Amino acid sequence: EDKVVQSPLSLVVHEGDTVTLNCSYEVTNFRSLLWYKQEKKAPTFLFMLTSSGIEKKSGRLSSILDKKELFSILNITATQTGDSAIYLCAGSGGSEKLVFGKGTKLTVNP
Amino acid sequence: GAVVSQHPSRVICKSGTSVKIECRSLDFQATTMFWYRQFPKQSLMLMATSNEGSKATYEQGVEKDKFLINHASLTLSTLTVTSAHPEDSSFYICSALRLATDTQYFGPGTRLTVL
Repeated sequence: EDKVVQSPLSLVVHEGDTVTLNCSYEVTNFRSLLWYKQEKKAPTFLFMLTSSGIEKKSGRLSSILDKKELFSILNITATQTGDSAIYLCAGSGGSEKLVFGKGTKLTVNP
Repeated sequence: GAVVSQHPSRVICKSGTSVKIECRSLDFQATTMFWYRQFPKQSLMLMATSNEGSKATYEQGVEKDKFLINHASLTLSTLTVTSAHPEDSSFYICSALRLATDTQYFGPGTRLTVL
């Protein structure tokens, strides 16, 4: 059975800290790994990763995929209170369905 | 980024009534849309895959006669919760698959409360 495991489940940091969120996956016929940010409503898309070792960046956020170790990380540097959210990792396999992890709840305190 | 809308954003209904939720992809065509349910403090659970012009594919444990899905056009899928009960109260989220980027984009979600 496909599964995605995120860690930690919860993280509390101070503004300016750097955080690393982890995601491991076991997805049949793996195609891509996606990161989403969920605040009060539905998830918003952050990154899609398909190739190992190629970092994707968007401002203070970056992510990388290791297809050998079946692992991805999401880094956020110089965190701000607006980064507080649940970060979801999802794996996409042959059926185009997404298998979601339980998410990491990030709280950034001023 | 791609835009997906959902309507209504919030609905409160009495037990036994049916509720229809619409999901639209506004700036791309989506042959495949997905419906998820999310309970408080839990992750998204896929309910069904909606394919334009054909029957939806339901996940194990999801009653197809209770959660009717219609994907009549390349930009619209609807989820009807029939004879809703309080245990159906949840946050329902749709997503649309944009083939050009092989990425699912999510609608803003619909908060259903059944009294």
